Amino acid sequence: EPEVTQTPSHQVTQMGQEVILRCVPISNHLYFYWYRQILGQKVEFLVSFYNNEISEKSEIFDDQFSVERPDGSNFTLKIRSTKLEDSAMYFCASSDRGGSGKRTDTQYFGPGTRLTVL
Amino acid sequence: DQQVKQNSPSLSVQEGRISILNCDYTNSMFDYFLWYKKYPAEGPTFLISISSIKDKNEDGRFTVFLNKSAKHLSLHIVPSQPGDSAVYFCAASAMIYNQGGKLIFGQGTELSVKP
Repeated sequence: EPEVTQTPSHQVTQMGQEVILRCVPISNHLYFYWYRQILGQKVEFLVSFYNNEISEKSEIFDDQFSVERPDGSNFTLKIRSTKLEDSAMYFCASSDRGGSGKRTDTQYFGPGTRLTVL
Repeated sequence: DQQVKQNSPSLSVQEGRISILNCDYTNSMFDYFLWYKKYPAEGPTFLISISSIKDKNEDGRFTVFLNKSAKHLSLHIVPSQPGDSAVYFCAASAMIYNQGGKLIFGQGTELSVKP
């Protein structure tokens, strides 16, 4: 069964450093997402990406964050200058609108990257 | 922002019995609802979904009920098994044409099924 994969599983970085989190969405999916979950809190939406551009972003997704689809398979989240409060699990997700126009909104999630900022 | 609420942080059920997990929402624009199961240090795993044009969707042991007038949905697991023990998240989205609908999650309910 196709699945979303994410690397690395755990990333430790120093405050102020740049990190890039990588995701390989399900191959025929068209919509891509990043969410995060701070320990003990809800899963929160960060950004959605469609047709090579951001379609929606949350207030969390400020100028320090960027996303990119550098090739036909990878989807990345970059944090330019990490802060302590960026420590969280980051989840990538993808969904398929359906080739026949059928709306399929189910988002499938990757296993997550645990980001620890020291 | 409490658009999706799961008011019970935990639920304990005996194996073989029914588990009922509840979820309330406030945004009437939501038109698609999902339940995810999550184990620690893993990503949410999709379980079952329901569109706002339906009031029930069933998949094996899992049934989701939607009451639009009450802005309430519930997940029934029958019969419950110890392997069902996990955190269950309710999520909702409002699809805008040509945009991916972001998911708004509830806080989660930790289900414990005792043998």
